[in-house]
Amino acid sequence: GNSVTQMEGPVTLSEEAFLTINCTYTATGYPSLFWYVQYPGEGLQLLLKATKADDKGSNKGFEATYRKETTSFHLEKGSVQVSDSAVYFCALLNSNSGYALNFGKGTSLLVTP
Amino acid sequence: DAGVIQSPRHEVTEMGQEVTLRCKPISGHNSLFWYRQTMMRGLELLIYFNNNVPIDDSGMPEDRFSAKMPNASFSTLKIQPSEPRDSAVYFCASSPAGTGASNQPQHFGDGTRLSIL
Repeated sequence: GNSVTQMEGPVTLSEEAFLTINCTYTATGYPSLFWYVQYPGEGLQLLLKATKADDKGSNKGFEATYRKETTSFHLEKGSVQVSDSAVYFCALLNSNSGYALNFGKGTSLLVTP
Repeated sequence: DAGVIQSPRHEVTEMGQEVTLRCKPISGHNSLFWYRQTMMRGLELLIYFNNNVPIDDSGMPEDRFSAKMPNASFSTLKIQPSEPRDSAVYFCASSPAGTGASNQPQHFGDGTRLSIL
């Protein structure tokens, strides 16, 4: 079946620090991969996506590269801001299994001034 | 553009009562999803519809939960009778997903925070 594993949080960083949130997946075929972000009291928002191997998704300074050889989709940002404090979810969508996203458990990020 | 609209935003009720959560998907989106989020279990898919037809309801916890999508612009998730363990944030999401559209992202509403006393 399909599954996503994320590093457990919470992750606490100082402003301008480098961020990595690890995500690995298990799936048959060729899933699409996503990162969603959830700010306090809000729904999930799509942050970035990649649909095939070696694709790099990027948005708002965040990046993630679809690595089929390591089945990974790690999220990175070179310099985090306080406003990046949120919960980040890695997810996959596998058309072999219908249209529903498989989410990781989420990683909470707190950025301090 | 209007996003996914959920109502109510907050619901507090006593156990045993019927609860109805509502969702209006983004116009033109073919697929609609109901998720539940709790601290213990994270995000769980409850059910999803494609073209108003339920495709997979294997995530629905038990018979107390039911979902309908009478038309392309409206869906409900009903809990009857409600229990304290149903307390969670319930999200609705929609996407234009269809055959060959596996890379289409889902758009989430702001959720309904449900508390059953």
